Amino acid sequence: ILNVEQSPQSLHVQEGDSTNFTCSFPSSNFYALHWYRWETAKSPEALFVMTLNGDEKKKGRISATLNTKEGYSYLYIKGSQPEDSATYLCAPHNTDKLIFGTGTRLQVFP
Amino acid sequence: DAGVIQSPRHEVTEMGQEVTLRCKPISGHNSLFWYRQTMMRGLELLIYFNNNVPIDDSGMPEDRFSAKMPNASFSTLKIQPSEPRDSAVYFCASSRLLAGANTGELFFGEGSRLTVL
Repeated sequence: ILNVEQSPQSLHVQEGDSTNFTCSFPSSNFYALHWYRWETAKSPEALFVMTLNGDEKKKGRISATLNTKEGYSYLYIKGSQPEDSATYLCAPHNTDKLIFGTGTRLQVFP
Repeated sequence: DAGVIQSPRHEVTEMGQEVTLRCKPISGHNSLFWYRQTMMRGLELLIYFNNNVPIDDSGMPEDRFSAKMPNASFSTLKIQPSEPRDSAVYFCASSRLLAGANTGELFFGEGSRLTVL
């Protein structure tokens, strides 16, 4: 069974705060690491797909880094806004499986 | 462009009845995934297909669950007989299969909410 851990489970921040979450995963048989954003009552939407050790990707105020040797990825949100409130899921693709973590639930208060 | 299309959006049925959930992936995508969302496990992978061939069905809970992909544009997930513990939201997702068995980003359907009474 693939062990994917995300921390923290939930996070409450004020508008304008910057925040980050962690995803840890097995480093063996690694293909890629996916990050998804999941708003309530909607479907998950892809943020990033990262494959190379040391990868850094950015989309607006959101960025992510990847360390495949030690098996972790960080997601950063700079200057959080209420519309960033969502659950952020990571999904490592190891061997033939793409398994989702249980996510970090972010709530940004105005 | 049409996204991943799932039907029905909602299904309420009685224990013991057969349930069939349907999925139409995005045209040109050659990987298809079925996930189940539960409070306890989050998004749980049930089965996935590459080029219409089932690759891993180890996540299928038990023999009551079956999935097929007869062609590149259609997949079904069937539960027979259904039980109350099968109540969940079932998501279908599709993606492009890249080099080295890697998969591109997943595009999710809106999900099928199943309630078994």
